[in-house]
Amino acid sequence: DAKTTQPTSMDCAEGRAANLPCNHSTISGNEYVYWYRQIHSQGPQYIIHGLKNNETNEMASLIITEDRKSSTLILPHATLRDTAVYYCIVRVASNTGKLIFGQGTTLQVKP
Amino acid sequence: DVKVTQSSRYLVKRTGEKVFLECVQDMDHENMFWYRQDPGLGLRLIYFSYDVKMKEKGDIPEGYSVSREKKERFSLILESASTNQTSMYLCASSGTGIFKAFFGQGTRLTVV
Repeated sequence: DAKTTQPTSMDCAEGRAANLPCNHSTISGNEYVYWYRQIHSQGPQYIIHGLKNNETNEMASLIITEDRKSSTLILPHATLRDTAVYYCIVRVASNTGKLIFGQGTTLQVKP
Repeated sequence: DVKVTQSSRYLVKRTGEKVFLECVQDMDHENMFWYRQDPGLGLRLIYFSYDVKMKEKGDIPEGYSVSREKKERFSLILESASTNQTSMYLCASSGTGIFKAFFGQGTRLTVV
């Protein structure tokens, strides 16, 4: 699975959009981009995934560049409850295999 | 609502004890995972299983074993607990294809 690079930490003002970048320059054509987050003292939570097209759900939007070498997770109106560690993961769709988490980005939403 | 349940939220065990951490999922998922999480080291994969009685080592399997006798249950076993196994342990499950994983709330294990 391709390696990902994320900033260690980011701040965002409450009510503003939070844009979390992820670099995955070695991604293969059959690898998906997944985003999870972990709020303090809880297990990680799936947010969204995508292959080529931009995706949106009730939690966030995922923008994947045309060359697929990077992506951005967008939380459109960040709240204090969005303060968490956000993980970007790249892996193929398959029946089995590891699900490996990197260090992620710690997002601090400030009042 | 989907659920992954870990048997204990907090556990205190003595050095040398055999420790069982249990995880149950109600989603009929094929894949199940055990991670440990330590400050500064992130989430590290210990073992995973893709089917009943099937298991594969993750990145840090030393000192651990696992058991999956039924599809819904995945157990992590510390054969002889040591203080360096004090950690937060997280279980997860996912279906096949797209790895949309669901996590339990975690077990904070302290070995004294």
